[in-house]
Amino acid sequence: GAGVSQTPSNKVTEKGKYVELRCDPISGHTALYWYRQSLGQGPEFLIYFQGTGAADDSGLPNDRFFAVRPEGSVSTLKIQRTERGDSAVYLCASSLQGSYNEQFFGPGTRLTVL
Amino acid sequence: DQQVKQNSPSLSVQEGRISILNCDYTNSMFDYFLWYKKYPAEGPTFLISISSIKDKNEDGRFTVFLNKSAKHLSLHIVPSQPGDSAVYFCAASATGNQFYFGTGTSLTVIP
Repeated sequence: GAGVSQTPSNKVTEKGKYVELRCDPISGHTALYWYRQSLGQGPEFLIYFQGTGAADDSGLPNDRFFAVRPEGSVSTLKIQRTERGDSAVYLCASSLQGSYNEQFFGPGTRLTVL
Repeated sequence: DQQVKQNSPSLSVQEGRISILNCDYTNSMFDYFLWYKKYPAEGPTFLISISSIKDKNEDGRFTVFLNKSAKHLSLHIVPSQPGDSAVYFCAASATGNQFYFGTGTSLTVIP
């Protein structure tokens, strides 16, 4: 079956611009997670959705970052006024029910802010 | 503030021998631990998990050991195969949802 997909695979933008990153989870998975992975680091938790609502957004670094999941399936991570320090691979994962279930990761979107 | 640490950035092992990857954590509230494997340009792939009520979990060639008093876990791969060459991340959680990842260990299995 289809795994988690993320688009675009690569995004290059200029400092100050707005970007949207999309995640299509595995069909039927109610939980969705966003992580950010900087060079040489492990994935860093950003936000977790259970259904349509953000159950835990404590990992979002500041108010320039926002994520939505309006219909409980596809999610979009939105970054306003991008900064060079936002450059990283943004990973999305989904799991069947959340909470102690295996998370299936997508291939990531590599964001480069010039 | 790194709550999960993998102090060995790389490890090389001969094919057929045992690979041991180590992970230390600082938060005593962590009760669920995962190991992920990652190939270049792909997302991490789940390998094996362990909850804090156990001290060992085995799945085929992969075994995870948990030492709660030392706040230490390890992943044993035996026998190691060239296809095991990848970056391995350990991750820990106190909630089952927000996971803290280590920085990864790059394993190379030499044929």
